[in-house]
Amino acid sequence: SSELTQDPAVSVTLGQTVRITCRGDSLRAYSPSWYQRKPGLAPVLLIYGKNNRPSGIPDRFSGSSSGDTASLTISGAQAEDEADYFCCSRDSTGNRAVFFGGGTKLSVL
Amino acid sequence: EVQLSQSGGGLGQPGGSLRLSCTASGLSSSSPGMSWVRHVPGKGLEWVSAISGTGFMTYYADSVKGRFTISRDNSRNTLYLQMNSLRVEDTAVYYCAKGIWEFDSWGQGSLVTVSS
Repeated sequence: SSELTQDPAVSVTLGQTVRITCRGDSLRAYSPSWYQRKPGLAPVLLIYGKNNRPSGIPDRFSGSSSGDTASLTISGAQAEDEADYFCCSRDSTGNRAVFFGGGTKLSVL
Repeated sequence: EVQLSQSGGGLGQPGGSLRLSCTASGLSSSSPGMSWVRHVPGKGLEWVSAISGTGFMTYYADSVKGRFTISRDNSRNTLYLQMNSLRVEDTAVYYCAKGIWEFDSWGQGSLVTVSS
């Protein structure tokens, strides 16, 4: 199906590693981009392509993909990482340019 | 560094129209593809529309196709979203974003509220 599925909520203990997953058929063809969104602020691009980080994004953020599942890993989560995270993929059906997953709310405990 | 500054939006009536603008600064000589993405409060992000650098290619989500029109004026480094036949479910914060497949710069967002 042309949808991206994310867990609605995930929690992590401060300083530990957390993996946020995204699943969808389009991920077999395209690596997703990942965005962080905090309340009242515009989303921020964290990862694009195979595992590329824009300038200014900490290296504790990394991406990986296998089959129909992609993951965003935060190694050593910080308090400021508490936010919503969205994956986004090109649409392999051509009906639209891209589409987003439902988002994962990350709580840092 | 690319900066995107948005204007427009506000309160619209069902069936009415609104227009959003997004002016870019700090661009290199090329005109990049641009997109609109919206965020419904309490819900996720929804891709709305995209336009190629030349403006020749446009893309729309099914939810807005036939009602919204994306356009650009490269001489003014400005992107537009004309929203017609507004529906209550179009209520959202609308962001312009640089790119078509991934979005590396975002505007500050424009709140669009559709209500009678």
